[in-house]
Amino acid sequence: EAQVTQNPRYLITVTGKKLTVTCSQNMNHEYMSWYRQDPGLGLRQIYYSMNVEVTDKGDVPEGYKVSRKEKRNFPLILESPSPNQTSLYFCASSRLQQGIMFFGSGTQLSVL
Amino acid sequence: AQRVTQPEKLLSVFKGAPVELKCNYSYSGSPELFWYVQYSRQRLQLLLRHISRESIKGFTADLNKGETSFHLKKPFAQEEDSAMYYCALSNTGNQFYFGTGTSLTVIP
Repeated sequence: EAQVTQNPRYLITVTGKKLTVTCSQNMNHEYMSWYRQDPGLGLRQIYYSMNVEVTDKGDVPEGYKVSRKEKRNFPLILESPSPNQTSLYFCASSRLQQGIMFFGSGTQLSVL
Repeated sequence: AQRVTQPEKLLSVFKGAPVELKCNYSYSGSPELFWYVQYSRQRLQLLLRHISRESIKGFTADLNKGETSFHLKKPFAQEEDSAMYYCALSNTGNQFYFGTGTSLTVIP
């Protein structure tokens, strides 16, 4: 089944403890991206990648890192999480410049 | 700067009534506009995009460059249309900007 898989679904952590949220797609998509969803703010793009080793900042990249070493994987890294990064995170993938994005099921992160 | 505005957080209509979900955008170039939908307990998914000029599940959306709008319309709402709807804009096909979403409830 074609899909985008995010792990974990839920994560509770403490301020400053490094964490990684994984994202994997099995559709051979070139484009992958990360979003955070906050009440009243909708989805905001954090980072995106157009292919292996090609990443760029979205609208709200501060406090986040990404890497794209393989086409199928696009992990989101929080080196030193803070409470304002408590949010619902979504990963998505699509063919390059097509705009038909396939979303993961989301990761609810709480930073205490 | 907010690029996509969805003025209604909540919208309720009766089954069989017309429905319009508003979306306005601000962008100086030629954007690509999309509507994404999230049904209960399902993932966010594409509903339609302006370049396709399709009708999906009875929904249509016309890009009005003069009014910078991309409103989503359906002449007769169905209960299964109840969902969260997001309007989205892409500038280069790589950066995406989403609105804050409109929760549509279709009353039986």
